[in-house]
Order: sequence, then C-alpha cells, then structure tokens
Amino acid sequence: DQQVKQNSPSLSVQEGRISILNCDYTNSMFDYFLWYKKYPAEGPTFLISISSIKDKNEDGRFTVFLNKSAKHLSLHIVPSQPGDSAVYFCAARNNNDMRFGAGTRLTVKP
Amino acid sequence: DSGVTQTPKHLITATGQRVTLRCSPRSGDLSVYWYQQSLDQGLQFLIQYYNGEERAKGNILERFSAQQFPDLHSELNLSSLELGDSALYFCASSVGFGHTEAFFGQGTRLTVV
Repeated sequence: DQQVKQNSPSLSVQEGRISILNCDYTNSMFDYFLWYKKYPAEGPTFLISISSIKDKNEDGRFTVFLNKSAKHLSLHIVPSQPGDSAVYFCAARNNNDMRFGAGTRLTVKP
Repeated sequence: DSGVTQTPKHLITATGQRVTLRCSPRSGDLSVYWYQQSLDQGLQFLIQYYNGEERAKGNILERFSAQQFPDLHSELNLSSLELGDSALYFCASSVGFGHTEAFFGQGTRLTVV
C-alpha cells in the first residue's frame, strides 16, 4: 500500500524562482518526515526533516511545511538553482518503519 | 562522499543463485539500514541493525537476510534470486536508530538474469 505519495513525477522551474515539491500521506501515525535529494549514480542525500509536532522547518534555501490535518507535506526551495536539479524523495517514519514516496524529478532551467 | 562504502558496485548473477552485498558505515555510526530501489516498487526499507542487533524490519523477503558484525560493517544476503530482485540496493548509516539523517552509500546494482 502506498502510504506516502508524490503525485508529480516531474517539475520544471526557472532558475531563481520557487520550487514547490509536494507529498501526501495516509498514515496518521507517522511522527517524523524527511526529504532526500538524489543525483544519478549516487545514493540519496538527506536534505531536511520535520517532526510531526511542528508545522515548519527552515534551513537556508529549503523550507519544509507540514499540514497534519491535510496529511500533506511540501518542500520549498527558494531561490532555485540549476544544481538543485535532482530527484527528490519524501519519507515518513512510523516507529522503526520508514516509507518513501516515488520521487519527483526537479529540473531547474538556467 | 557520504562516508558509507558499499561493495560491489555492480553484480550480475543468474536466477536461483545467492549473493552477498557488503556495507561499511561511517565511522562512529551504530545503525545500518538496507533499502531496495526497484523500478516498480520505488525505494523500500528492508531492515535495520543497531550495534550488532536487528532493530527493525521493513518489506524484507524471507529469502533475504542481513547481519551486522562486531566491527559494525553489515552484509545483506540474497538467496534463491529471481528476476524481480534486480534492483539498486542501498545501505545507509546513522549515529542513532531512528532513521533520521542517515547517510547513504552509492548503492549496489544487482542484475539477475
């Protein structure tokens, strides 16, 4: 069962603009959410996380928003840079289990 | 470089065979996680070891097993291989055991023919 969904397989934005990547989940028991970035031929790299008791976490150009009532998570990248072009996975933790979305391929055009 | 080393990088084997994938975690990390990324299933958590003990199990098949040795390196054993086991297998490590902020290796690409 797909407990974590990223409904947009791809997203293209212009350099300098905002990138918004979305993630929806179904399990209300998830207590921690993470975003990973993955370049081709490399393993995923941790980007940013948020606990379920918060609604926002910011780290430089990256901000994650959590809307628990909507079971919705989003990652904002401002401003977007060509080096941000990668596949982004959201992930959610429930106790010792971790579930991943299918990923969204972000392309930032110069 | 994440500091997590996986060997081999590529592996091609026949159906019915058994293979072992190896992972060396970052220095100081006690947790090792194994993940499978396949075309149809996406990225899936398989199993976690913390300081030598199995900590959590995800979607790991009974044909698969893992262990973590006293030096904290880990091995994932895949047996009776099927075509559908072809995937990228990632190992990750972290200091704690909560999946948080884990560092991933570059993966082992397994092709079963």
